Amino acid sequence: RKEVEQDPGPFNVPEGATVAFNCTYSNSASQSFFWYRQDCRKEPKLLMSVYSSGNEDGRFTAQLNRASQYISLLIRDSKLSDSATYLCVVRPYGGATNKLIFGTGTLLAVQP
Amino acid sequence: SAVISQKPSRDICQRGTSLTIQCQVDSQVTMMFWYRQQPGQSLTLIATANQGSEATYESGFVIDKFPISRPNLTFSTLTVSNMSPEDSSIYLCSATFWNTEAFFGQGTRLTVV
Repeated sequence: RKEVEQDPGPFNVPEGATVAFNCTYSNSASQSFFWYRQDCRKEPKLLMSVYSSGNEDGRFTAQLNRASQYISLLIRDSKLSDSATYLCVVRPYGGATNKLIFGTGTLLAVQP
Repeated sequence: SAVISQKPSRDICQRGTSLTIQCQVDSQVTMMFWYRQQPGQSLTLIATANQGSEATYESGFVIDKFPISRPNLTFSTLTVSNMSPEDSSIYLCSATFWNTEAFFGQGTRLTVV
């Protein structure tokens, strides 16, 4: 089982739609969680961190369910500019390297 | 935050040769990492670059193929040795402060012919 799993999509949605991405992780002691966005031929950039109580940033809402080892990202009122690959990222607990593990990414295409 | 400069941004190399990629960070970061992203794939961690000591490699990656240096807190290099077409990929430098998000360089797009 992969450490971080995501539905690769693609998700094709019309402008204005609400879309949700899910992610599961295998290490129950994982300590930090993030959603990154990667545009075509660009480096990944942080979209938002994910906190235990859930958090919102404008049209974006992230949720964490530690019991189910599940992370979600909700995008409301989708814009054309939201089209990108969304990467679920987990920092496993323990070890000295503080490394991040990336999911395979979910491709979102917002259509006019 | 940290701004990462990575070079070269792209290169085309002959098989059997080696390429060294440089990564410079504008802040004294805690951790530096090297990732590989093959076409249509997500990021795979190659190794953690440790300051002043040998890098920590992930399963499937070895020092002879991917030697890494990190002489100080802000600079690291990754060498792709004895290249073959299978090494064609995007190589990304990343840095973090302890327990923060990761910042990335713009990547090096390598094509081996």
